[in-house]
Amino acid sequence: DTGVSQDPRHKITKRGQNVTFRCDPISEHNRLYWYRQTLGQGPEFLTYFQNEAQLEKSRLLSDRFSAERPKGSFSTLEIQRTEQGDSAMYLCASSFPGEVADGYTFGSGTRLTVV
Amino acid sequence: AQSVAQPEDQVNVAEGNPLTVKCTYSVSGNPYLFWYVQYPNRGLQFLLKYITGDNLVKGSYGFEAEFNKSQTSFHLKKPSALVSDSALYFCAVRDRGGATNKLIFGTGTLLAVQP
Repeated sequence: DTGVSQDPRHKITKRGQNVTFRCDPISEHNRLYWYRQTLGQGPEFLTYFQNEAQLEKSRLLSDRFSAERPKGSFSTLEIQRTEQGDSAMYLCASSFPGEVADGYTFGSGTRLTVV
Repeated sequence: AQSVAQPEDQVNVAEGNPLTVKCTYSVSGNPYLFWYVQYPNRGLQFLLKYITGDNLVKGSYGFEAEFNKSQTSFHLKKPSALVSDSALYFCAVRDRGGATNKLIFGTGTLLAVQP
């Protein structure tokens, strides 16, 4: 297990289409995070899973966005009816449990372009 | 609300010279602070963190950061810059408002090291 894997690396889609991204965290990490990064900005928190439970969702996560983490392993992020404003890098990160936040391990991200 | 600010969009430095990338924070209570680096089309890589203890924190690739409580700063430093240090650097603070341990990132500083 060499790190956090994200698939696909790049996705170009037409406006209005649905897209789904996958994240495979480090196997012993029970915490999983999704972030969105737009050009010139730092990553913005979208949602958090502890095992299979989705414990927090940002207000950035509109009704068109849904995330799942069945069985507490991999996670998927789906965007329905994509809009041009959804174009961004979507980053997944995972971390160990514990009181103190260790540094996350990030995946390389999925770059979404909506045309 | 917890936040960090990176006042410089870009820092230019000649190879071999010392570098500083600035970060200030605004938190209630004791902060947990982090620095990450991002290379083009890649995810973020953890550099170092401050949780408690010594104000000078040493991290990966020869980087260090100085926590200054009176100035609410956590500047990233390196004694001698390398061209390969050229990348986007993000300061982050752990959100103390919940149990998610999510990180709140600054807008990033592009470090350009000239040969």
